[in-house]
Amino acid sequence: AQSVTQPDIHITVSEGASLELRCNYSYGATPYLFWYVQSPGQGLQLLLKYFSGDTLVQGIKGFEAEFKRSQSSFNLRKPSVHWSDAAEYFCAVGATGGFKTIFGAGTRLFVKA
Amino acid sequence: DAGVIQSPRHEVTEMGQEVTLRCKPISGHNSLFWYRQTMMRGLELLIYFNNNVPIDDSGMPEDRFSAKMPNASFSTLKIQPSEPRDSAVYFCASSPDKGYGYTFGSGTRLTVV
Repeated sequence: AQSVTQPDIHITVSEGASLELRCNYSYGATPYLFWYVQSPGQGLQLLLKYFSGDTLVQGIKGFEAEFKRSQSSFNLRKPSVHWSDAAEYFCAVGATGGFKTIFGAGTRLFVKA
Repeated sequence: DAGVIQSPRHEVTEMGQEVTLRCKPISGHNSLFWYRQTMMRGLELLIYFNNNVPIDDSGMPEDRFSAKMPNASFSTLKIQPSEPRDSAVYFCASSPDKGYGYTFGSGTRLTVV
């Protein structure tokens, strides 16, 4: 069965600073990997996804993520954070043989001026 | 596209009452998922359907919970009888196929008093 760990419960960064959110997964093969963002009172929105090909994937809102098989990681990055990026971010892993996706516990991002 | 539509947005009910949550997935998406989100347990997959057929309901917490998908454009999640510990945000999501990621609805915030 797949599982996903987000080690950081919350992170605070200054506006304009770079951001990296960590995600580690467990799965026997290469899984589907996703990052979602959730603003308060809203549903989750898909930022980007990876299954195969280039290990650096670009997403919406200027985010990117890098798949590192050797580290079982799929970290999310953004070069310059904006105040509107303050939200909760979820890493998720999906089994390639089915439709089920498991979500991490989330990392809450705070942006200070 | 209007996205995934959930109703109601908020529901307050008394313990013991029946609660029905509704979801309209995106047209053409053949998979539908019900998740529950709480502070303590995060995002939990309750049940998912593929082509209107329930595939995995192992996340349904008790027999008090039931879900149906009578056609490709409508699904319900019913709790009968409701209990205070059922208070949570319930999300519906749909997907066109494996690996595409989900589109989430805005959720239903359920409060059982």
